[in-house]
Amino acid sequence: GESVGLHLPTLSVQEGDNSIINCAYSNSASDYFIWYKQESGKGPQFIIDIRSNMDKRQGQRVTVLLNKTVKHLSLQIAATQPGDSAVYFCAENRGSGGSYIPTFGRGTSLIVHP
Amino acid sequence: DTEVTQTPKHLVMGMTNKKSLKCEQHMGHRAMYWYKQKAKKPPELMFVYSYEKLSINESVPSRFSPECPNSSLLNLHLHALQPEDSALYLCASSQDLNQPQHFGDGTRLSIL
Repeated sequence: GESVGLHLPTLSVQEGDNSIINCAYSNSASDYFIWYKQESGKGPQFIIDIRSNMDKRQGQRVTVLLNKTVKHLSLQIAATQPGDSAVYFCAENRGSGGSYIPTFGRGTSLIVHP
Repeated sequence: DTEVTQTPKHLVMGMTNKKSLKCEQHMGHRAMYWYKQKAKKPPELMFVYSYEKLSINESVPSRFSPECPNSSLLNLHLHALQPEDSALYLCASSQDLNQPQHFGDGTRLSIL
C-alpha cells in the first residue's frame, strides 16, 4: 500500500480553476473505489464512486477516472469554489473472506484561494 | 447534519478507566464500521459489522471491544487504553458491504 508520509500533500488553486487530485491504489483485486471529502472537525463525506468495470464516472462538477492498468484514480473538480477546500481521500475496497476491507489513501489537502 | 450520530463528541479518560463510544444510524444500513484517525492521517479501519455480526477485525488490541446490540447501534468499549490511543474515532455505516459509507463526525478521545 501507499506509505503515509509525515506531511499531507497539498494542492492550491484559484477559485474558478479546475482541480485534479490523484491517487495510486495498491491492490489489483480491489473492485470498488470511492472519493471522500473531509472538512475540519467533521467526518469524511461521500463524493463519488466507481466500480472496476468502468473507467469514468461523472457527477455534479466532479469526475472520477480509473486506470486499472497503472492502478491510478483521479478526481477532477470543475470550477473549484472556496467551499471545496478540504482534505480529499480516495478509498479502495478489497474483498476478504466474504467481506470487504476499505483502505484509505493518504489524502490531499485542497486549498482554494478566492 | 450527519445521519450517523456519535456520542460523546469529546472524551478524556485515564488509562485505568472504562468508557464506551456510541454510534447510531436510522437509515436501515446493515453494515457498520469503526475507524481510528490520527491528525493529518487517513482513517484506519478497526472493525466491520455486517448484519450485526463481526466480519472484520483488523488486528485491533483487545483493549478495544466492539458491540452491535441491534442493526441501528454500534458501541466501542474502551478499557486500559494507552496514550497512543488518543485519536478521532469515526463510525460509519453503509447499506451493505461494498457500498459508499456515511460517516459520523467522530469522538475525539484523549488518554491521560
